[in-house]
Amino acid sequence: EIVLTQSPGTLSLSPGESASLSCRASQSLTSNYLGWYQQKPGQAPRLLIYAASSRATGIPDRFSGSGSGTDFTLTISGLEPVDSAVYYCHVYGNSPGSFGGGTKVEIK
Amino acid sequence: QVLLQESGPGLVKPSETLSLTCSVSGYSISSGYYWAWIRQPPGKGLEWIGSIYLYNSGNPYYKPSLKSRVTISADTSTNQFSLKLSSVTAADTATYYCARDLGARWLVQGVFDYWGQGALVTVSS
Repeated sequence: EIVLTQSPGTLSLSPGESASLSCRASQSLTSNYLGWYQQKPGQAPRLLIYAASSRATGIPDRFSGSGSGTDFTLTISGLEPVDSAVYYCHVYGNSPGSFGGGTKVEIK
Repeated sequence: QVLLQESGPGLVKPSETLSLTCSVSGYSISSGYYWAWIRQPPGKGLEWIGSIYLYNSGNPYYKPSLKSRVTISADTSTNQFSLKLSSVTAADTATYYCARDLGARWLVQGVFDYWGQGALVTVSS
């Protein structure tokens, strides 16, 4: 099973700044089957990105995904208070795979 | 608008079987896509439990470490699918989500685009 390690654990930034969230895989993802989810307290996760860089329906272009192989990044540009949440990366493919431990983004 | 809603007991005794149902509206579960169960222990991360694909085979797929205890089934007449997890322990206490998996579009599993609100199930005597 591929293990995903997310860093940092917590990110505290001001509105308008950019956030860069890292997700590192224990082995190379040959097909870049990597997704990102946002979860706010008391809510279900929300799909943001799939296939490493494709935005899901209705996701603003402030959210962008990049990376390949073992290193992936979720970038949130122009942070807004509503972006305060935990963000999970997720590897998938022949089976739904596993999730990373999450990065909490706090807006000051 | 695709809506999913979990239902079932919020409290299950140790060694018993946890049973949850996901009611889907706005999309027929037999029209394609996988339908999945995912759980999240309090304060922890997400874990895929299993999925079912009804378009042709109806075969379920389970996380290997849970396979011996999990059964996922579906009733296309009511547009619902269900989860049974046997021999539960306190470690199975979690919020259980049902979700639609878009992955069949690309012949993969694991792109969860619609989720239920979640059902907290506590295992305790």
